[in-house]
Amino acid sequence: GIQVEQSPPDLILQEGANSTLRCNFSDSVNNLQWFHQNPWGQLINLFYIPSGTKQNGRLSATTVATERYSLLYISSSQTTDSGVYFCAAYMEYGNKLVFGAGTILRVKS
Amino acid sequence: DGGITQSPKYLFRKEGQNVTLSCEQNLNHDAMYWYRQDPGQGLRLIYYSQIVNDFQKGDIAEGYSVSREKKESFPLTVTSAQKNPTAFYLCASSIWEGGYGYTFGSGTRLTVV
Repeated sequence: GIQVEQSPPDLILQEGANSTLRCNFSDSVNNLQWFHQNPWGQLINLFYIPSGTKQNGRLSATTVATERYSLLYISSSQTTDSGVYFCAAYMEYGNKLVFGAGTILRVKS
Repeated sequence: DGGITQSPKYLFRKEGQNVTLSCEQNLNHDAMYWYRQDPGQGLRLIYYSQIVNDFQKGDIAEGYSVSREKKESFPLTVTSAQKNPTAFYLCASSIWEGGYGYTFGSGTRLTVV
């Protein structure tokens, strides 16, 4: 099946810094999604981004489907950005999302 | 407001017992899913269902069972056959085609004592 790899596994930032999280996937996918899991375990969808670039406030995401990777940019990070960021590739076969292992982000004030 | 409700938030189980985790959604989504999350790891799919009275095994179905008698409900039973059940369990739902609108519940943390 499809493999989804995320890097880096851990990231510590000072408040106000920018960061880039990467997601590589092993096969063609129908769509790619980014999620944020807060420290209490709640997962929120950030982006549905099969290709191209989208922006939502301080967050933006880019997927280059032909090269099988996606990037999540966080600008001017805040302590509330802390948590785990997951990317997930949607497999048409089986109609399910396959998740990467996540990037743990800690933003220090 | 539409959403997914998981209960209980915390659950303690003695070894050898079966326990059932509840998941209810009012989003009118066709598909529902159960994921398991272990510390420092991603989400692994246990079971999923695309329509009432039908469900499929995911990647780690052994020791678990589900039912889908109503569109809104997808309970998960962790049986005594599951050797290492302590984990965080997440329920999700989505529009079936294309995986749109993936929405997660707030999770149930199960601990075996």
